[in-house]
Amino acid sequence: GAVVSQHPSRVICKSGTSVKIECRSLDFQATTMFWYRQFPKQSLMLMATSNEGSKATYEQGVEKDKFLINHASLTLSTLTVTSAHPEDSSFYICSARSGGPGNEQFFGPGTRLTVL
Amino acid sequence: AQSVTQLDSHVSVSEGTPVLLRCNYSSSYSPSLFWYVQHPNKGLQLLLKYTSAATLVKGINGFEAEFKKSETSFHLTKPSAHMSDAAEYFCVVTPNSGNTPLVFGKGTRLSVIA
Repeated sequence: GAVVSQHPSRVICKSGTSVKIECRSLDFQATTMFWYRQFPKQSLMLMATSNEGSKATYEQGVEKDKFLINHASLTLSTLTVTSAHPEDSSFYICSARSGGPGNEQFFGPGTRLTVL
Repeated sequence: AQSVTQLDSHVSVSEGTPVLLRCNYSSSYSPSLFWYVQHPNKGLQLLLKYTSAATLVKGINGFEAEFKKSETSFHLTKPSAHMSDAAEYFCVVTPNSGNTPLVFGKGTRLSVIA
């Protein structure tokens, strides 16, 4: 299957700083990328959907000014957690899909964010 | 609207015995259904998917699932558990039409005892 990478895999930062997480589709063009958040021992919660070249669509309750998403190319999307706080500590997972809604989403390995 | 209920948060089986992970769904439209597996601190891997073709779907690693519309169920089974099957399993639904995102169940943690 297609490969999606995330970088970094783990990041620890101080409260108040910003952190950028990259999501790349390595062998296909991702017209749509998704960002999820997963709390310990819980399911994935969709944060936002982004289509290449357009603004991301955020789910209800997700602060778009805090979680900045950029999808500037067909192989790269970034999530920037601005002014991070300890409650932002979580496992962030991206997924990527080429083509329409009927196509499979491929998931990245996730990024563990710890905010001190 | 779509929703998924995974009936067991934790299932424990002995190695070599059958696995049954239960999933019930609700969907306003004809659904696509998926099972994903997540090993600790890893991303999700697709086990199998149902997209309105054959109701018995075979996936990777010996897993299979049967779509039962009358019961709104999509239970995941495997005849014989391996130690390597220990992981978190997610049942996921999305309608076949529109651009609605995937809806995840809360997950079932599978433990395999030697």
